[in-house]
Amino acid sequence: GAVVSQHPSRVICKSGTSVKIECRSLDFQATTMFWYRQFPKKSLMLMATSNEGSKATYEQGVEKDKFLINHASLTLSTLTVTSAHPEDSSFYICSARDRGPGPYEQYFGPGTRLTVT
Amino acid sequence: LAKTTQPISMDSYEGQEVNITCSHNNIATNDYITWYQQFPSQGPRFIIQGYKTKVTNEVASLFIPADRKSSTLSLPRVSLSDTAVYYCLVGESYGGSQGNLIFGKGTKLSVKP
Repeated sequence: GAVVSQHPSRVICKSGTSVKIECRSLDFQATTMFWYRQFPKKSLMLMATSNEGSKATYEQGVEKDKFLINHASLTLSTLTVTSAHPEDSSFYICSARDRGPGPYEQYFGPGTRLTVT
Repeated sequence: LAKTTQPISMDSYEGQEVNITCSHNNIATNDYITWYQQFPSQGPRFIIQGYKTKVTNEVASLFIPADRKSSTLSLPRVSLSDTAVYYCLVGESYGGSQGNLIFGKGTKLSVKP
């Protein structure tokens, strides 16, 4: 099946700094990528939908100025957590939707564990 | 987007067949039903997808009744490594505006020896 990678897999940063997380579709083109956040023992929460070449669509309650999303190419989307605080510590997961004809599958990355100290 | 309801948890023993049922009463005509598996600290992994009747692949079967208001994921002869959280999702699969997947609470399956 298709592979989605994330980098880094784990990051620790100090409060007030910014962190960038990359999401890549390795063997397919993805016009749409999604970013999720997952707290311990909780389900995945959709943060935003990212379309290549256009602005991301954020879910209600997600601050677009804090969570900057850039989908610059058909294989790469980035999530930047700006001015991170301890409450931003979470497991961030991206997914990518195959560009081909449907029905499509949504492929998930392995996740990035962010810890803000 | 159709909301889904699943049991919070299920227990089973190795070698048994496990059936996890999901309710989605408000499923729309264009919606597909997709099941994912998630291990701790990993991204969800696609298991199976269907629209109606029965779908089978190498790891699972998916049963969908005619009214499509529910679906059942069937895992044959589970092993300890099948211990995970299983999510049932409903959404458009042809890239429509409702194509983003919204996760419910999932079912935590615990397989015991």
